[in-house]
Amino acid sequence: DTGVSQDPRHKITKRGQNVTFRCDPISEHNRLYWYRQTLGQGPEFLTYFQNEAQLEKSRLLSDRFSAERPKGSFSTLEIQRTEQGDSAMYLCASSQIPLAGDLNEQFFGPGTRLTVL
Amino acid sequence: QQQVKQSPQSLIVQKGGISIINCAYENTAFDYFPWYQQFPGKGPALLIAIRPDVSEKKEGRFTISFNKSAKQFSLHIMDSQPGDSATYFCAATSNFGNEKLTFGTGTRLTIIP
Repeated sequence: DTGVSQDPRHKITKRGQNVTFRCDPISEHNRLYWYRQTLGQGPEFLTYFQNEAQLEKSRLLSDRFSAERPKGSFSTLEIQRTEQGDSAMYLCASSQIPLAGDLNEQFFGPGTRLTVL
Repeated sequence: QQQVKQSPQSLIVQKGGISIINCAYENTAFDYFPWYQQFPGKGPALLIAIRPDVSEKKEGRFTISFNKSAKQFSLHIMDSQPGDSATYFCAATSNFGNEKLTFGTGTRLTIIP
C-alpha cells in the first residue's frame, strides 16, 4: 500500500526559471489538492481537482502557477518565471469522495521543497 | 485573512504531562475540525477530528474539546511522550471535509524527559 508520493522532494532553481512538480495520489482517490507551506506557517490551499476537473483555485495562485490532472490520476504543478517568494514546501493531498454524511479525510504527501535563489 | 487562529506558537511539556493547544475560528460555515501532526521532512498526518455536533472526542491519549458558541476548539495530549514532539496544526473546513482545509499557524511541541 503506497501513500501520496511527490517528485522531486527538493528543487533548487534560479529566479526566472520554470519548475514542475508531480504528485501521485493514492490509487482510486478522486480528489487531489495542492497546498503551499512556508516556514513557520500552516499549509495554504492553492487548488484542487475532482478527477480531471479543476474545481477551485485560490486567489493566492498567480498567473504564473498552473496545475493539471489530465487523466484524473497524477497531477503536475508548474511555476513559471519563479521568484524568491515562491520558495516554500508544496504539498499534495488526496481523498476519496465520501459517502453521504461521511467525513472526507485528506492524506498528504511528503511535499516538494522549492528554493529559489 | 487568517480564519483559524492557533496558540501557543511553541510549547514545552514534561514527559507525562498534559499538552494543550488552542484554536479559534471565525467562519460559521466550518463543520469539520481536524488536527494534523507533522514531523520534520514529512507531510501533515491526520491525528483526530471532530464535528460540531459533539463537544468532545477522545482517541487514546488525544482529546478534542469543542465549544461551538465560542467558536473554539482545543487538542489535549495526555501523558505526553517524547515521540509526541512534532508540529501540530488545527484546521477547519466545511461540507464535512469536502472543501479545502484552512489551517492554523501551527504549534511546535517539545516533550522533555
